[in-house]
Amino acid sequence: DAGITQSPRHKVTETGTPVTLRCHQTENHRYMYWYRQDPGHGLRLIHYSYGVKDTDKGEVSDGYSVSRSKTEDFLLTLESATSSQTSVYFCATQRAGGRVTGELFFGEGSRLTVL
Amino acid sequence: GDSVTQMEGPVTLSEEAFLTINCTYTATGYPSLFWYVQYPGEGLQLLLKATKADDKGSNKGFEATYRKETTSFHLEKGSVQVSDSAVYFCALSAQDNAGKSTFGDGTTLTVKP
Repeated sequence: DAGITQSPRHKVTETGTPVTLRCHQTENHRYMYWYRQDPGHGLRLIHYSYGVKDTDKGEVSDGYSVSRSKTEDFLLTLESATSSQTSVYFCATQRAGGRVTGELFFGEGSRLTVL
Repeated sequence: GDSVTQMEGPVTLSEEAFLTINCTYTATGYPSLFWYVQYPGEGLQLLLKATKADDKGSNKGFEATYRKETTSFHLEKGSVQVSDSAVYFCALSAQDNAGKSTFGDGTTLTVKP
């Protein structure tokens, strides 16, 4: 299993405050992703990275930004948290060598509550 | 764009019952198909996969066959156990999509003893 750790695992914050979630991987996987999980919506892609300093938007990127300064770390930032961003956030990675397989490895999730 | 539709849940079964969770997809090209499982309080983990038409993925007694003609990837298990209680997600990954995956909404399975 890929070593993927997310921090913090739980966070409660207030509307309007900035929040940063961290994803750290030890498997040297090239691709990294941030998803949010909400009831009735499955997992939706927020942002992804295909290499150091190479990132792109997913389907629900408004209100979020990301950064990847090292292969192993992928940060998700909520510039000004809103109640609609209350969710469980999952980081995922994918190895890439030759053909991309599509198989994802997930962290344990970060539960964010915005009051 | 790509999409995945799963049968709505929740699904409640008795132990040793037969399980089917339906999954259909819409995608251009030839995606790879996956089933992921999420146990309470945990992240998702890969259950099985299939990368081309007519492939059958299998793991832990679960099976799914990639049916291109019906654009389906239904999950089946002949005899479920209490320990199979979890949320199951069907997903696809298109080859030309930077490895991005599209997920269904998930189906919650509860198995009662």
